[in-house]
Amino acid sequence: GAGVSQSPSNKVTEKGKDVELRCDPISGHTALYWYRQSLGQGLEFLIYFQGNSAPDKSGLPSDRFSAERTGGSVSTLTIQRTQQEDSAVYLCASSFSYQGTGELFFGEGSRLTVL
Amino acid sequence: AQTVTQSQPEMSVQEAETVTLSCTYDTSESNYYLFWYKQPPSRQMILVIRQEAYKQQNATENRFSVNFQKAAKSFSLKISDSQLGDTAMYFCAFMIPGANSKLTFGKGITLSVRP
Repeated sequence: GAGVSQSPSNKVTEKGKDVELRCDPISGHTALYWYRQSLGQGLEFLIYFQGNSAPDKSGLPSDRFSAERTGGSVSTLTIQRTQQEDSAVYLCASSFSYQGTGELFFGEGSRLTVL
Repeated sequence: AQTVTQSQPEMSVQEAETVTLSCTYDTSESNYYLFWYKQPPSRQMILVIRQEAYKQQNATENRFSVNFQKAAKSFSLKISDSQLGDTAMYFCAFMIPGANSKLTFGKGITLSVRP
């Protein structure tokens, strides 16, 4: 079956503009994660959705960042009034197990460049 | 808070040789999972190997094996018979099993396999 799909693959925007990044997880996966990967850094947790539970937003760096997951499937990460420090690769991952065995399936990421 | 440290930013190995990637972590928990993820140039992260902390036996997956030292909080990855396709970034990751199963990643190490 299809893997985790992310779009766009690359996005270049001007400082101050809003951007939306989309993630389509593997069908049937109940858990969905967003991570940010900056150059030379590890993966920074942003937000976690699990089924119908309230999302864990503890990793969102500011109120300019928000995410939603509609119908328990597709997720959109929105960054408002983008800043240059938002430039990074945004990775989405999904998993099937509620208990969390740790095997996440990642998309190829969306590379965001803010000029 | 849990932390994962990968102190070597880069390593290089000759094809067919063996290489060991280091990782240390810090936690006060006794039950947890440790992982190595691989990120090739295509950007898509894939799981290489997983270790449950309660298991004393080191995990192995074909050419990949770990040296898990729980008391020392060390979790190194050994790649035997290195292949050109092993060239990638490798991330060590940590997770406490439970409802909010977010992975904490190290900064990663870039491994280059020389022909």
